[in-house]
Amino acid sequence: EVQVVQSGAEVRKPGESLKISCKTFGYRFSSYWIGWVRQKPGKGLEWIGIIYPGDSDTKYSPSFQGQVTISADRALTTAYLQWDTLQASDTAMYYCARRDYYDSSGHPVFDFWGQGTLVTVSS
Amino acid sequence: QSVLTQPPSVSAAPGQKVTISCSGSSSNVGMNFVSWYQHFPGTAPKLLICDNNKRPSGIPDRFSGSKSGTSATLDITGLQTGDEGDYYCATWDGSLASLNYVFGTGTKVTVL
Repeated sequence: EVQVVQSGAEVRKPGESLKISCKTFGYRFSSYWIGWVRQKPGKGLEWIGIIYPGDSDTKYSPSFQGQVTISADRALTTAYLQWDTLQASDTAMYYCARRDYYDSSGHPVFDFWGQGTLVTVSS
Repeated sequence: QSVLTQPPSVSAAPGQKVTISCSGSSSNVGMNFVSWYQHFPGTAPKLLICDNNKRPSGIPDRFSGSKSGTSATLDITGLQTGDEGDYYCATWDGSLASLNYVFGTGTKVTVL
């Protein structure tokens, strides 16, 4: 059974660093892209970026390029999202999700999602 | 900001139908399949519709999707109180190789 389990809520001060995780179970981790999504309080879903754990190929949304780093550890079947310098504006819920094809003739979608990690940045 | 535009909210009485529109452009909706996600805040989003109109296993046929040109639509028939939540369309922007996914602005469904 495929499962995606994210790390727990975090509270940090502006300027601090943070790395949150997305642990996966039940499938070949290296063979599926993992994406990250942000939801600010009261706002919609925003695409952050995606990683292919097989070779660590990573692509960021232009809005997030340089603001965060996505990585993956194949041995731990875990993907990560990290910040070197947090800002108050990073306060949000963050989701990770596995990308897969529902139909071989279709386009990839995000079928299994983590429960979300709430990140609060406040002085 | 999102490149896919949805109405902020729709509402109807139990048992009725709601329609949610998703307007994009030739570089996203116009050239790629559209998916729809159901989201109850604080929980994991759920894939409702993929490839414009396909329902993953377990999704009731009360949910249906369609696409025409640069717009897509999600219909929910036989509305239930459990359907109250947020709904997002999504697709790839540009070629699949761009790996740039975009979400709609989101629509809140209210059951009156």
